[in-house]
Amino acid sequence: QVTLKESGPGILQPSHTLSLTCSFSGFSLSTYGMGVSWIRQPSGKGLEWLASIWWNGNTYNNPSLKSRLTVSKDTSNNQAFLKVTSVDTADTATYYCAHTQYTYYGYTYDYFDYWGQGVMVTVSS
Amino acid sequence: NTVMTQSPTSMFISVGDRVTMNCKASQNVGTNVDWYQQKTGQSPKLLIYGASNRYTGVPDRFTGSGSGTDFTLTISNMQAEDLAVYYCLQYNYKYTFGAGTKLELK
Repeated sequence: QVTLKESGPGILQPSHTLSLTCSFSGFSLSTYGMGVSWIRQPSGKGLEWLASIWWNGNTYNNPSLKSRLTVSKDTSNNQAFLKVTSVDTADTATYYCAHTQYTYYGYTYDYFDYWGQGVMVTVSS
Repeated sequence: NTVMTQSPTSMFISVGDRVTMNCKASQNVGTNVDWYQQKTGQSPKLLIYGASNRYTGVPDRFTGSGSGTDFTLTISNMQAEDLAVYYCLQYNYKYTFGAGTKLELK
């Protein structure tokens, strides 16, 4: 059974760095095709993909956030991490981590099949 | 960046209705599209992957179709439990979500 849970600071001040942890079980981030992605959602608004990290160490970031994002993993401890630098009020949102599955059966399939419950982050002075 | 435009933004529906919502990609994404359902206060759930493949456990009243730039999610025989916001996602190049279609009761 795959489960994921996000943890973070809850509230932080503008210009600071947001550090989030995704603790998961039921899969290994060293297994081919496995990844963890970060997605956020401001209250009452839509979903925004932020970043993904894969079993092979490859990482992909949303270009709209430029170089503010860093995603990493600790395979031994079944954790993935997201850092967002220079936060401002626009970064206030619920942040989700999701198990990301890549498969190829003639066609490429890539999807977020298990999600954490999300963690609320508020940026405020 | 590939933009995913969903329509309509919201729909007022009745139980038993056939519901169709659309997602248009700004460029060809093949069949690299998923659909997600998000109920109020919950995390999103995967419904459809690869444009037309129903995920494990998803009722067969949910059907995805399309390729290239135009995609559709259809709910036949709408149930009250299907009230939610539905998002499309392209994964042809990185990931982009659509803005969502909200289903509400008439």
